[in-house]
Amino acid sequence: EVQLVESGGDLVQPGRSLRLSCAASGFTFDDYAMHWVRQVPGKGLEWVSGISWNSGSIGYADSVKGRFTISRDNAKNSLYLQMNSLRAEDTALYYCAKDRDYGGNSGFDYWGQGTLVTVSS
Amino acid sequence: QSALTQPASVSGSPGQSITISCTGTRSDVGNYDLVSWYQQHPGRAPKLMIYEGTKRPSGVSNRFSGSKSGNTASLTISGLQAEDEADYYCCSYAGSNILVFGGGTKLTVL
Repeated sequence: EVQLVESGGDLVQPGRSLRLSCAASGFTFDDYAMHWVRQVPGKGLEWVSGISWNSGSIGYADSVKGRFTISRDNAKNSLYLQMNSLRAEDTALYYCAKDRDYGGNSGFDYWGQGTLVTVSS
Repeated sequence: QSALTQPASVSGSPGQSITISCTGTRSDVGNYDLVSWYQQHPGRAPKLMIYEGTKRPSGVSNRFSGSKSGNTASLTISGLQAEDEADYYCCSYAGSNILVFGGGTKLTVL
């Protein structure tokens, strides 16, 4: 059974940093691209960042480019999101999502339950 | 990176068919057959319903179908059921390792 478990969400002050983690199990992690998608409670989905199976292809939404860094450790079956210079508008539930393919543009077939990031003073 | 355009809401009666549109540009929807559709019930994680424009994952009802014409992708749900009431989102590849979602559509089953 595929499982994606996010962690690291917290209440943090504007300008500070936070690192999210996603532990994956139930599939061959290094065969697939992975993504972070966020959702402000009550609002729509926003793609944040994606990384290919071998970290060779990485993309970011304009809203986080230069502040967030996605990475993965295939030996640990884990995905990460380093979030720097956090802003109030980064407040959201952050989902980890598995791509159907190794490249990163085929669709998200499994999702975690999300970890909540709140940016507030 | 502009969000794709979806209607805020659509509705239909049980047994009817409805279609949700997803309008992008020549840089995203119009340039790639890489649109996916997600269903999200309140308090739940999204669920993949259609990928690569027209393909249905295993386990998804054949009442759900996807299509595309020009810069607009569409999700059609036939034989509407009460359990289909949910929010629906489209997502398209936009080149350069970028993906973009639509704003979402709330489906109400009357």
